[in-house]
Amino acid sequence: EPEVTQTPSHQVTQMGQEVILRCVPISNHLYFYWYRQILGQKVEFLVSFYNNEISEKSEIFDDQFSVERPDGSNFTLKIRSTKLEDSAMYFCASSGTTLSYEQYFGPGTRLTVT
Amino acid sequence: AQTVTQSQPEMSVQEAETVTLSCTYDTSESDYYLFWYKQPPSRQMILVIRQEAYKQQNATENRFSVNFQKAAKSFSLKISDSQLGDAAMYFCAYRYPNYNTDKLIFGTGTRLQVFP
Repeated sequence: EPEVTQTPSHQVTQMGQEVILRCVPISNHLYFYWYRQILGQKVEFLVSFYNNEISEKSEIFDDQFSVERPDGSNFTLKIRSTKLEDSAMYFCASSGTTLSYEQYFGPGTRLTVT
Repeated sequence: AQTVTQSQPEMSVQEAETVTLSCTYDTSESDYYLFWYKQPPSRQMILVIRQEAYKQQNATENRFSVNFQKAAKSFSLKISDSQLGDAAMYFCAYRYPNYNTDKLIFGTGTRLQVFP
């Protein structure tokens, strides 16, 4: 069964450093998302991406964040200068055509900023 | 703005018994989707069940069923014959079917404990 994969599973970085979180969505999916979950809190939407551009972003997704689909398979989230409050679990998700409304989540990347 | 509320931070159930998790939401839309996701200790988000707002029939998936009350904006999850493996965080989520922006809005979650 196809699945969304994410790497790394855990990333530790120092405050101010850049990080890139990687995701491989399900191969025939067209819509891609990043969500964030701070420990003990609810899952929050960050950004959605369709047709090679951002279709919606939340207030959390400020200028420090960017997303890219550099090739036909990867979908990345970059944080340019990490802050302590960026420590969270980051989930990538993808969904198929407009007729398929389920979003399939990856296993997440735990980001720890020290 | 759409909001999702889960008023039960924690619930517990004995193995083989039935438990119901509550969820309410606020929206002015008439067409939307609702979901329950399970998050075990591994923190993977697993889709449990989905409901289309235009369908009056409540969705069921094996031991999992929902009670969807559109007028009351209520979407509860019933787990029958609870198993130890059902222990997890459960999140209710709302999706407005805008074809360009279809983000999920999650509730704060309910932690379900299952006792043998």
